[in-house]
Amino acid sequence: NAGVTQTPKFQVLKTGQSMTLQCAQDMNHNSMYWYRQDPGMGLRLIYYSASEGTTDKGEVPNGYNVSRLNKREFSLRLESAAPSQTSVYFCASSEGAVGYTFGSGTRLTVV
Amino acid sequence: KQEVTQIPAALSVPEGENLVLNCSFTDSAIYNLQWFRQDPGKGLTSLLLIQSSQREQTSGRLNASLDKSSGRSTLYIAASQPGDSATYLCAVYPDSWGKLQFGAGTQVVVTP
Repeated sequence: NAGVTQTPKFQVLKTGQSMTLQCAQDMNHNSMYWYRQDPGMGLRLIYYSASEGTTDKGEVPNGYNVSRLNKREFSLRLESAAPSQTSVYFCASSEGAVGYTFGSGTRLTVV
Repeated sequence: KQEVTQIPAALSVPEGENLVLNCSFTDSAIYNLQWFRQDPGKGLTSLLLIQSSQREQTSGRLNASLDKSSGRSTLYIAASQPGDSATYLCAVYPDSWGKLQFGAGTQVVVTP
């Protein structure tokens, strides 16, 4: 099925460990996004990529890095995980303001 | 800074009742507004997109209105069903690039 695929679905990290969240879309969208969702706070934008080869910071970029590997793939890296990064992470893609599609999320716990 | 608020945070209604979900935003200079549904443990599913030139959008039992001047959008769900139980989120587009600013959502429970 067409859509946005995220891996892994669940992850537990120790403080200070690093990891990369993977995201791939097969809808030929130019724009891709990483959001985090915390209880009672809705989704907040971490980073986005308006097109292949470009990335920009969103509302909460500290502690994260991203790579737009190609048009399909957009990864999010935590270099040194902190308990404050415990959250559910969502990847999404769109064609501008149209066709917004979300992945099913990665539930990350940092202990 | 744009603030998006959804009130109430949660509500419970009996099956068959109409649902009215509210979304307010502080900066009326938005591009589009979109309503999403989120089921527990799942991603977000787009329900309705209201473009900047529109005042409402309809799909089946769902109707969403947008009043940019007053900074409000309302999602109506007619004749609610237990399958409508989910969290509903509204999000505004500050520009045409697709970055979204979300409200915290309204958790809806429809009891049989």
